[in-house]
Amino acid sequence: EAQVTQNPRYLITVTGKKLTVTCSQNMNHEYMSWYRQDPGLGLRQIYYSMNVEVTDKGDVPEGYKVSRKEKRNFPLILESPSPNQTSLYFCASSLTGLFQETQYFGPGTRLLVL
Amino acid sequence: AQSVSQHNHHVILSEAASLELGCNYSYGGTVNLFWYVQYPGQHLQLLLKYFSGDPLVKGIKGFEAEFIKSKFSFNLRKPSVQWSDTAEYFCAPRRDSNYQLIWGAGTKLIIKP
Repeated sequence: EAQVTQNPRYLITVTGKKLTVTCSQNMNHEYMSWYRQDPGLGLRQIYYSMNVEVTDKGDVPEGYKVSRKEKRNFPLILESPSPNQTSLYFCASSLTGLFQETQYFGPGTRLLVL
Repeated sequence: AQSVSQHNHHVILSEAASLELGCNYSYGGTVNLFWYVQYPGQHLQLLLKYFSGDPLVKGIKGFEAEFIKSKFSFNLRKPSVQWSDTAEYFCAPRRDSNYQLIWGAGTKLIIKP
């Protein structure tokens, strides 16, 4: 089944403790992206990647890192999480990132930073 | 900077009522517009999209949207809603500068059975 998977689905952590949220897709998509969703703000893009080893900042990249060493994986790294990073995170992918393509979303990761 | 506005954050309707969710965007050159939907407990999925041609676009589950260039609008409509349409709906125009989508704040739709 074609899908985007994220792990973990739920995470509670403390301020400053490094964490990684994994994202993997099995559709051989070149484009992958991370979003955070906050009430009243919709989705805001954190980082995106057009292909392996190619990443770009989105609208809210501060406090986050990403890497794209393989086509299928696009982990999101929070080196020193803070409470304002408490949010619902979504990973998405599409074939090449062209504007007309449908994005496929993962199930989301709900993060609470204490 | 390009922007998108969804007028209503919450909408409550009874089954069989007609639906119209507003979406206005700031002009950014070539217009490409999407509506995505997030059903409770599920991930976001595409509802419909507009690139060019007929300004009335039909999507899944009986939804349609009309692109009105003069009003910078791309409102989502459905003639008769069902309880299963309860979801959050996001309008997302494409940004000219880097081809990424700009997402509206979302409209939570609740359908009373």
